[in-house]
Amino acid sequence: DSGVTQTPKHLITATGQRVTLRCSPRSGDLSVYWYQQSLDQGLQFLIHYYNGEERAKGNILERFSAQQFPDLHSELNLSSLELGDSALYFCASSGGTNQPQHFGDGTRLSIL
Amino acid sequence: DAKTTQPPSMDCAEGRAANLPCNHSTISGNEYVYWYRQIHSQGPQYIIHGLKNNETNEMASLIITEDRKSSTLILPHATLRDTAVYYCIVRVGNSGGSNYKLTFGKGTLLTVNP
Repeated sequence: DSGVTQTPKHLITATGQRVTLRCSPRSGDLSVYWYQQSLDQGLQFLIHYYNGEERAKGNILERFSAQQFPDLHSELNLSSLELGDSALYFCASSGGTNQPQHFGDGTRLSIL
Repeated sequence: DAKTTQPPSMDCAEGRAANLPCNHSTISGNEYVYWYRQIHSQGPQYIIHGLKNNETNEMASLIITEDRKSSTLILPHATLRDTAVYYCIVRVGNSGGSNYKLTFGKGTLLTVNP
């Protein structure tokens, strides 16, 4: 158990819809990272938040957005969903200097 | 971040040591070597990391060559549960809120056989 909690585990929805994925980091970790893993792209970094502030963006589409709340949990919002958005979405958190990231079990998103 | 090169696949007999190599010839002095593994669609699992010295924890040992251009992850007594994709990642150490993204390559699929 990594200590990172992601909900829901599975999500099935239709094209054009909007969904929200939730992540609770390990206790005390200020950084939250989101990654996407699709069959053809591997694990791709999406976005990083630190203590409520966005710190870096990776390959994140404009239809996607995220935020980190005062209690440090984070949400990834995906809108106008397309078939190609079907993927595993992982959240990771990390603590202090040079500490590793620890990943949650992911949310499997299926677009029908 | 420095690029890494790993063999696409390896086999290991159960109970034997699994030695997974990683080349990172362009590594910089302030870059760490991290190892993660992913067991079939589960979240990547942190294994170990190091800068210069060899490291050991309850899961594995990390051997880094003196010139730091390559490293080896050693699972001392592989079990069937160690079958997974193993990722070697090199990146600078982070401090505070500095960005700390991990860049995953294709990794090595380790298959532990009975």
